[in-house]
Amino acid sequence: QVQLQESGPGLVKPSETLSLTCAVSGYSISSVSLWGWIRQPPGKGLEWIGAIFQSGSTYYNPSLKSRVTISIDTSKNQFSLKLTSVTAADTAVYFCARQRSGYDSEFDYWGQGTLVTVSS
Amino acid sequence: EIVMTQSPATLSVSPGERATLSCRASQSVSSNLAWYQQKPGQAPRLLIYGASTRATGIPARFSGSGSGTEFTLTISSLQSEDFAVYYCQQYNNWPPSYTFGQGTKLEIK
Repeated sequence: QVQLQESGPGLVKPSETLSLTCAVSGYSISSVSLWGWIRQPPGKGLEWIGAIFQSGSTYYNPSLKSRVTISIDTSKNQFSLKLTSVTAADTAVYFCARQRSGYDSEFDYWGQGTLVTVSS
Repeated sequence: EIVMTQSPATLSVSPGERATLSCRASQSVSSNLAWYQQKPGQAPRLLIYGASTRATGIPARFSGSGSGTEFTLTISSLQSEDFAVYYCQQYNNWPPSYTFGQGTKLEIK
């Protein structure tokens, strides 16, 4: 059973960097899949943030590209998100997810999500 | 960017009846379209991928159809557990740049 679990601070100050990690269990992160981050502001819809291949190749939402970095640590079977210069607009539930078979596939497994609030 | 537009925003249906949800893409996404169900406080759950293939464990009352720019999710006989928000998502781009619809809230009539 594939499981994903997000972790990281629930409160980040404006202008600082949001950092989250997604731990994967039940599946090797080195296998052929794409690993992604999606967020959902309170009461709103879903927004794709970006994704990373097991090789380390990354792809980002153009609207966030200048502030986002996604990395992967195959030795720990986890991947991470950094979002710099955050504002209140970045307050959201952040989900990590797996794409089953590469870039042209759906998100089949999701983490439970973690709420990150940007506030001083 | 491919824009996904879902309609209606809210759909009120009685249990046991049929629900039909629509999703339109601003340009062709072939059959690279997924549907997700989300309940309050939960992560989205994959229902349909490839526009029409049910994900593992999804009941047969859920079906998807369409290709190109027009897609439909049909729930044939609504159960109480089906009342939730439904999102469509395209995954057709290279390089990857995925977009979701704004969601349809399916509520009890």
